[in-house]
Amino acid sequence: GQNIDQPTEMTATEGAIVQINCTYQTSGFNGLFWYQQHAGEAPTFLSYNVLDGLEEKGRFSSFLSRSKGYSYLLLKELQMKDSASYLCAVRDSNYQLIWGAGTKLIIKP
Amino acid sequence: IAGITQAPTSQILAAGRRMTLRCTQDMRHNAMYWYRQDLGLGLRLIHYSNTAGTTGKGEVPDGYSVSRANTDDFPLTLASAVPSQTSVYFCASSDGSGSSNEQFFGPGTRLTVL
Repeated sequence: GQNIDQPTEMTATEGAIVQINCTYQTSGFNGLFWYQQHAGEAPTFLSYNVLDGLEEKGRFSSFLSRSKGYSYLLLKELQMKDSASYLCAVRDSNYQLIWGAGTKLIIKP
Repeated sequence: IAGITQAPTSQILAAGRRMTLRCTQDMRHNAMYWYRQDLGLGLRLIHYSNTAGTTGKGEVPDGYSVSRANTDDFPLTLASAVPSQTSVYFCASSDGSGSSNEQFFGPGTRLTVL
């Protein structure tokens, strides 16, 4: 079957760095996405990886290793507004997104 | 309109009633999707449409139907609602171009079936 695993919840301190991991087993791979979802709101797109390596976008970076079925989202200089759920999703061989349950990130002052 | 809109924002529905959730996008995206989001679970695809006039079944299609008469609208119908359909429903769209082809989401409809 298809499976996306990510931690349920993480806590970090304002100004610090946090890494959210995602491992996947899917039928085919056509890219991996990270989305941010604030409580009660819609998911919004953060990053996309299709080749191995690191993609950097401001305070956020995303890494992919296809051979290991692994990705992480790195958030630097954490701000209180980064408190949200972070969703990992893989586009499978049918070009449909398979979603993880999300990681709730709690930022403490 | 800018982006994707959904209606209603929330609804409480008696079991057995018929309900249509509306979704409209003004980005001229070809592909549209309906997901449900339940606590502790990832977003699950209900139905999708790659282009106007075509639809397909996702992971959890039972009890739901869709239509795609034009590019902008993609309504989701629950023919006879059951309590297990209590969920938050998100509509999304993508344009099918570019390397990432990310999906853009509407604000969601919170549905409670009693």
